[in-house]
Amino acid sequence: EVQLVESGGGLVQPGGSLRLSCAASGFTFSSYWMSWVRQAPGKGLEWVANIKQDGSEKYYVDSVKGRFTISRDNAKNSLYLQMNSLRAEDTAVYYCARATLWFGESVLDYWGQGTLVTVSS
Amino acid sequence: QSVLTQPPSVSGAPGQRVTISCTGSSSNIGAGYDVHWYQQLPGTAPKLLIYGNSNRPSGVPDRFSGSKSGTSASLAITGLQAEDEADYYCQSYDSSLSASYVFGTGTKVTVL
Repeated sequence: EVQLVESGGGLVQPGGSLRLSCAASGFTFSSYWMSWVRQAPGKGLEWVANIKQDGSEKYYVDSVKGRFTISRDNAKNSLYLQMNSLRAEDTAVYYCARATLWFGESVLDYWGQGTLVTVSS
Repeated sequence: QSVLTQPPSVSGAPGQRVTISCTGSSSNIGAGYDVHWYQQLPGTAPKLLIYGNSNRPSGVPDRFSGSKSGTSASLAITGLQAEDEADYYCQSYDSSLSASYVFGTGTKVTVL
């Protein structure tokens, strides 16, 4: 059974940092692109970042470029999101998701339960 | 601000058919990129409902169907059930954005 379990969320002050983790199991982690998607309270979904199987390609939404870094450790079956210079507008539930390629495009076929990040003083 | 537009809400009585539209442009759906749909039940994580415009993952009831035409896509739910009350999001690829993967604005389905 595919499982994705996020951790690391919490309350942080504006300008602070936080590192999210996602522990994957039930599939060959190193064979899949992985993504982070966030959802602000009461709002819709927003694709944040994704990373290729070997970590050689990474893509980010403009609003987090230069502040967030996606990474992975295939030996530990883990995905990470390092978030620096956090802003109030980064407050959201952050989901880890597995991306399966469908004719070259990513489909998010499994999601974790999410971890809440709150940026507030 | 999403580039894929959905109606904020749709509603129907049990057993009825409802449809949700997802309107894009020439840089996403109209460029030939596929549309995928996700269902988010209250208080839970999203779940893949339809992929590649019209394909259902294993375990998704055939009451759910998807289609695509031109710069738009649609999700149809036939035989609406109480457990279908949820938020639904379309998703596609957009060649004009750095964050290439975009979600729709989301639609709340209410079962009357």
